[in-house]
Amino acid sequence: DAKTTQPPSMDCAEGRAANLPCNHSTISGNEYVYWYRQIHSQGPQYIIHGLKNNETNEMASLIITEDRKSSTLILPHATLRDTAVYYCIVNSQNSGGSNYKLTFGKGTLLTVNP
Amino acid sequence: DGGITQSPKYLFRKEGQNVTLSCEQNLNHDAMYWYRQDPGQGLRLIYYSQIVNDFQKGDIAEGYSVSREKKESFPLTVTSAQKNPTAFYLCASKGGLTNTEAFFGQGTRLTVV
Repeated sequence: DAKTTQPPSMDCAEGRAANLPCNHSTISGNEYVYWYRQIHSQGPQYIIHGLKNNETNEMASLIITEDRKSSTLILPHATLRDTAVYYCIVNSQNSGGSNYKLTFGKGTLLTVNP
Repeated sequence: DGGITQSPKYLFRKEGQNVTLSCEQNLNHDAMYWYRQDPGQGLRLIYYSQIVNDFQKGDIAEGYSVSREKKESFPLTVTSAQKNPTAFYLCASKGGLTNTEAFFGQGTRLTVV
């Protein structure tokens, strides 16, 4: 799986949009970008994923650059409950044992301030 | 309800003892994973399994063992060979490679004294 790079921490004011960047410059054509978040001492929770096109769901939006080397997770109106560690990972869709390997980095600690 | 269950939530053991952490899922997922998390750190992959009776080492497999005798279950044994076993352990499952996300349990916090 391609490695990802994220800033270790970010701050955001409550009610404002939180934009979390992720670099994945070595991503290959069949790898999806996934975002998860982990609230303290809980299991990570899936947020959104995409391949090429921008995606939106009830939680967030995912913007993937045209060259697919980076992406941005957008929380449109951050609340205090969005304070968490956000992980960006890439995962291959090809068959083969090693492609099931799901590797997380250290993520970005997003702190939403009142 | 469908989901992935880890038990127990908190576990205490004496140094030198082996301990087994339970992970069960009723999501009919093929792949299962074990991660370790230390304070202020990300998730590190211990073992993963894509199918029954098959599993692969992750990045920090030393001192751990697993089995996958049933699709629903992927227990992790922390052996006495693991030098620093005290940590938060997370189990996950995934339906397959095609466009699916991973589901995580709520974790087991293991303390070895």
